[in-house]
Amino acid sequence: QVQLVQSGAEVKKPGASVKVSCKASGYTFTSYGISWVRQAPGQGLEWMGWISAYNGNTNYAQKLQGRVTMTTDTSTSTAYMELRSLRSDDTAVYYCAREIEGPPYYFDYWGQGTLVTVSS
Amino acid sequence: DIQMTQSPSSLSASVGDRVTITCRASQSISSYLNWYQQKPGKAPKLLIYAASSLQSGVPSRFSGSGSGTDFTLTISSLQPEDFATYYCQQSYSTAMYTFGQGTKLEIK
Repeated sequence: QVQLVQSGAEVKKPGASVKVSCKASGYTFTSYGISWVRQAPGQGLEWMGWISAYNGNTNYAQKLQGRVTMTTDTSTSTAYMELRSLRSDDTAVYYCAREIEGPPYYFDYWGQGTLVTVSS
Repeated sequence: DIQMTQSPSSLSASVGDRVTITCRASQSISSYLNWYQQKPGKAPKLLIYAASSLQSGVPSRFSGSGSGTDFTLTISSLQPEDFATYYCQQSYSTAMYTFGQGTKLEIK
């Protein structure tokens, strides 16, 4: 069965960086993309960007350009999301999601989420 | 960016009720509209993709319709496990996916 298992919760200081991992299993990793979505406490869902596990192509949300980097390691079927220069409003649960590369495009499996807390 | 607006933001209903949630896009998105259900402390779950296609394993009481700018998610007969928050998401603009603000469905 398809599973996306994310790394554990993180507490970071403002200005620091965080790297969240997402290990995939139960499917051919390179046949799908991975999107990252975050959710601030009590708020809605915000798409952060996408990476192709096939060739590493990326597409980042404009507001995060320059602060976010998404990568994959096909040898371990793991996707990574690094966010730099953290601010308090980056405090959120971060999700990875498998993306069906259509059209249509949609997220059919999600990781369990990783809470990142940014606090001095 | 394409803005997605859901209505209502919250809704109280009873078990057995028929419920409809609407989602409006700021421009035409053809049928590139997905619906997700999220329960507290859990990841979102895909219900409907491409406006009206039911994801495998999702009960048939869930249905979606619409195209262009106006879409609906309908639950034909609410079950206790359906009380959750629902989000629409457009995948027309692959440069920037956007979600609606969510509709919280509560027990009356």
